Formats: sequence, structure tokens, C-alpha cells
Amino acid sequence: GEDVEQSLFLSVREGDSSVINCTYTDSSSTYLYWYKQEPGAGLQLLTYIFSNMDMKQDQRLTVLLNKKDKHLSLRIADTQTGDSAIYFCAERSNTGKLIFGQGTTLQVKP
Amino acid sequence: ETGVTQTPRHLVMGMTNKKSLKCEQHLGHNAMYWYKQSAKKPLELMFVYNFKEQTENNSVPSRFSPECPNSSHLFLHLHTLQPEDSALYLCASSQWAGVEETQYFGPGTRLLVL
Repeated sequence: GEDVEQSLFLSVREGDSSVINCTYTDSSSTYLYWYKQEPGAGLQLLTYIFSNMDMKQDQRLTVLLNKKDKHLSLRIADTQTGDSAIYFCAERSNTGKLIFGQGTTLQVKP
Repeated sequence: ETGVTQTPRHLVMGMTNKKSLKCEQHLGHNAMYWYKQSAKKPLELMFVYNFKEQTENNSVPSRFSPECPNSSHLFLHLHTLQPEDSALYLCASSQWAGVEETQYFGPGTRLLVL
């Protein structure tokens, strides 16, 4: 079946890089997404990558996709306290549905 | 600034009440979604509407009743809810069959059922 897994918690110091990892099972996924959720808010789209790409960079964000291992990562360079949030990985299956992971809580310490 | 708005942002209701959640999208999309987000669980897709037609109902109890009068508005009617229905209810929209069909989310309605 379709499944997306993430580690639940990551703690980093301000200024360090953060790497949030995600694995998925559906090899027919077309797009993979990263969403950010701040306390009390909805999900904010951060970035996405098409399945035929292996990397995408957008300012401080770098997405790496290893399609062979079904592994997706989000790297945040120069992490700031404002980056503290829950980060969700999601895959879009070939049925069009979005399958979400359970979210990784990123804690940024000053 | 999100193009998807939801009202109310917070709702407290008793198990015998009837209430409705409203979602409106200003992005010109043709698909809308309801998700349930409970603590420590992945987002659960509840309903999908494409071009105002319901195309997905993920085994959601009948005490949740969606309504999509047009492609910009989506409602979730609630009646006889249970305490375990307390959660954050998120609405999203997308352009169905668009290039990347990215879903954009509203801020959610935090529901507490007493």
C-alpha cells in the first residue's frame, strides 16, 4: 500500500543546517512535496519536486530525491528560529491522491 | 498569504449540536478537499470534489456531510459528533489535472467536541 514515513523530531542550533528525511513506498509517485505547518496554522507549501528530477534548490531549501531508494530529503541552510515548525512530506500517487507522512517537528535552539 | 480561507477558525460544540464549517478558495481552482488532522496522526483525506462532483469519500461517518455548491465554496456539515472527532479540519484546493496539481491549504478550523 501507499505509505510515507518521517522521523518525528529534529533539534538543531540556529545557523546550522537541518536535514529532514522521508521515505515513501509508491514507486509511481509523480510529484513529491514538502509542506510546513506553524503552530495554529494550516499547511504552507514550501516546495515540490517532479519524480524525474533528483535535486531542486530554492534559496535556503534544497530537496534531494533518490528514486531508487524512494528517499526524499529537505535541507534547510542557515536554520533560523522562524523555521521551527512541523514539516510534512507528501507524495502524489498515480491516482491523484496526496499521501502525507506524520510530520517532523523541527526545533531550532538559539 | 493563502488563497484559501476557512471559517470559523475555532469551534466548540456539544455532541447534540449541528454546525457547519466553511471553506472558500480564491485561486480559480476546480478541485477542493477536506482533511482531518488529529494529534500524532498523518493527515486523513475525507472528501474530494472535482468540478463540484464528489469523487472521493474515504469511509467517513455519515455525521460528516460535505456540500460543494460551486467550485469556490466547500462546506462540511457536522451533526451528532463524538469527542474523538475533535481535530483540526483543513480545506485545500487544487487545479485538477494541472501540471503539478499542487494542493493549497487553508488555515484550518480547530474543532472541540464536548
